[in-house]
Order: sequence, then structure tokens, then C-alpha cells
Amino acid sequence: DGGITQSPKYLFRKEGQNVTLSCEQNLNHDAMYWYRQDPGQGLRLIYYSQIVNDFQKGDIAEGYSVSREKKESFPLTVTSAQKNPTAFYLCASSIVPFNQPQHFGDGTRLSIL
Amino acid sequence: SQQGEEDPQALSIQEGENATMNCSYKTSINNLQWYRQNSGRGLVHLILIRSNEREKHSGRLRVTLDTSKKSSSLLITASRAADTASYFCATGLSANSKLTFGKGITLSVRP
Repeated sequence: DGGITQSPKYLFRKEGQNVTLSCEQNLNHDAMYWYRQDPGQGLRLIYYSQIVNDFQKGDIAEGYSVSREKKESFPLTVTSAQKNPTAFYLCASSIVPFNQPQHFGDGTRLSIL
Repeated sequence: SQQGEEDPQALSIQEGENATMNCSYKTSINNLQWYRQNSGRGLVHLILIRSNEREKHSGRLRVTLDTSKKSSSLLITASRAADTASYFCATGLSANSKLTFGKGITLSVRP
């Protein structure tokens, strides 16, 4: 079955550590997205990508980095510069243009040790 | 500020009742979408309504769009306990703009 796989489901970060969240899709979608969800805040866009080797900053990109080396994969790195990383991170994909329905993974919950 | 804002923030109803959730937005849109999120899971797309449409149905879901009032409603008829979830509206301002999500409505359906 086609879908989006995020891993790990839970992740813990130590002070000063970078961590990488995985997102893989087999839907053959061109566009991929990373969102951060905090309680009561809805979804906020971190980064998005339309094609391989190209990506753009979203509304809250500071302290995060991404890569898009393959169409299927869009990993997110939470760097030590992100001072408040505790949140639920959601990856999504869609066909283009960007305002089409998005398919979501089941998220990674990141906490600070 | 959020482009789409849902109302109410929380809703509790008895199984079998209808649930109505509203979404208001500030600027003209290309389409509006509704999503459901079960606790600890990702969002699931429910329905998309375009700016030139007024009403759409999908099973027990009915969505309306009033562009003059810049608002949309999601009606779930004959609710079930399994409908308990958070519901989000998302707006796309133009064909190539990213979706903007609201903060969501928490729906509880009591058995």
C-alpha cells in the first residue's frame, strides 16, 4: 500500500545534539513538507520541497535543515540551534501544485532529555 | 495570524447527534480542505471544496462554503464514537500557494 513512513515514532535529544527525522513516501508525489505541531498551535510549516535537490523555508525554518536527494525521501534535521525542539513533527506529501490534498505520516514525537 | 480559524475550539456530543464545525478565513482562497487527526496520529484528508463550489458531500460529511462570508462548515451526521478526533481546516490562497492550517477543533462523541 502507498503511504508515508516516518521514523522513529519517539526520539529523545540531548543538549547540543543534532537529530534527524526520517520521512519516506512511495506515492510518487513531487511535493513534500515538514510541519511542527504544538498543543493549541495547529500545524506550522518548517520546510517544503517541490523537486529533488530543491527546497524552501517555511514559516519556522530557524534551527532546522532538510535535504531532498531522492524523490522518495525528505529527512529533517533538528539542530542544536533549535532551542525549543520538543514537539510533534509531521511529514506530508502531495502532487503539485501545492494546494492539493496532502497525505501525512504518523509523526515523530521529539523530546529533550 | 492564522488564515483559517475553526470554531468552536471543542465540541462534545452524544452518539447519533450531528456535529457542526466552522472555519473562517481572512483573504480570498482557491480551495478549502478539511482534515481529521486521531490522537497521536497524522492528519487524514477528508474533503476539498473549491472557491466556485458551495456544497460537497462525502458519506456522512457535508461541507459548505460561503465565499461572501469567508467561512466554511463541516457537518458530520449521525456521529459515532469513532468520529472522536481533532478536525482542521486548511486554506490554499492560490494554485501554487502552500496550505495554511487552523488550530483545530476537538470533537468528542460520547457513546
